[in-house]
Amino acid sequence: DAGITQSPRHKVTETGTPVTLRCHQTENHRYMYWYRQDPGHGLRLIHYSYGVKDTDKGEVSDGYSVSRSKTEDFLLTLESATSSQTSVYFCAIRDSGGLPDTQYFGPGTRLTVL
Amino acid sequence: DAKTTQPTSMDCAEGRAANLPCNHSTISGNEYVYWYRQIHSQGPQYIIHGLKNNETNEMASLIITEDRKSSTLILPHATLRDTAVYYCIVRVNAQGGSEKLVFGKGTKLTVNP
Repeated sequence: DAGITQSPRHKVTETGTPVTLRCHQTENHRYMYWYRQDPGHGLRLIHYSYGVKDTDKGEVSDGYSVSRSKTEDFLLTLESATSSQTSVYFCAIRDSGGLPDTQYFGPGTRLTVL
Repeated sequence: DAKTTQPTSMDCAEGRAANLPCNHSTISGNEYVYWYRQIHSQGPQYIIHGLKNNETNEMASLIITEDRKSSTLILPHATLRDTAVYYCIVRVNAQGGSEKLVFGKGTKLTVNP
């Protein structure tokens, strides 16, 4: 599982409230990613990080922000949750130990916004 | 970005080989083919990848045609636990050196007893 954990694993919240999801890795990987998965859309990249304090947007970044203050943690924040952000969120790391690099995914966080 | 085409669903008998095809006719010469699978409610699981040679690991074998326009993932002795959605992905390099995986809809493989 490449040492990836996500917390919380399940969360129910109300529209308009802030939510922060955490991804934690134990193997000092430089690259980390946040995806969301919805029926009919597959996995879509939200944001990614290529180092401490280095982040960039993915294809569905509106309404989300991220932070990475240390190598092992990549946080995804919904500043004001909306029902359209109900989804399953997956974190991934990029293992650069081989050729080519390979992404490994965490177990996911199921978020429901009421 | 090179796109992939996979059948929507397939069935396989337990203990038999499962052969999952994938077409990627626009693949570039330096792009790898990756296979992942996703068992219900779990995170995608990496299976195998290849460039142009056939590859085998403890989970599966990957056969890539000589022209690289298609590939087949082989699970040699499918079990009920192999029931999952299987994704064939061609690696895309996003700007800034980061890797973006583009997941299609995949193939829903059902292994039947």
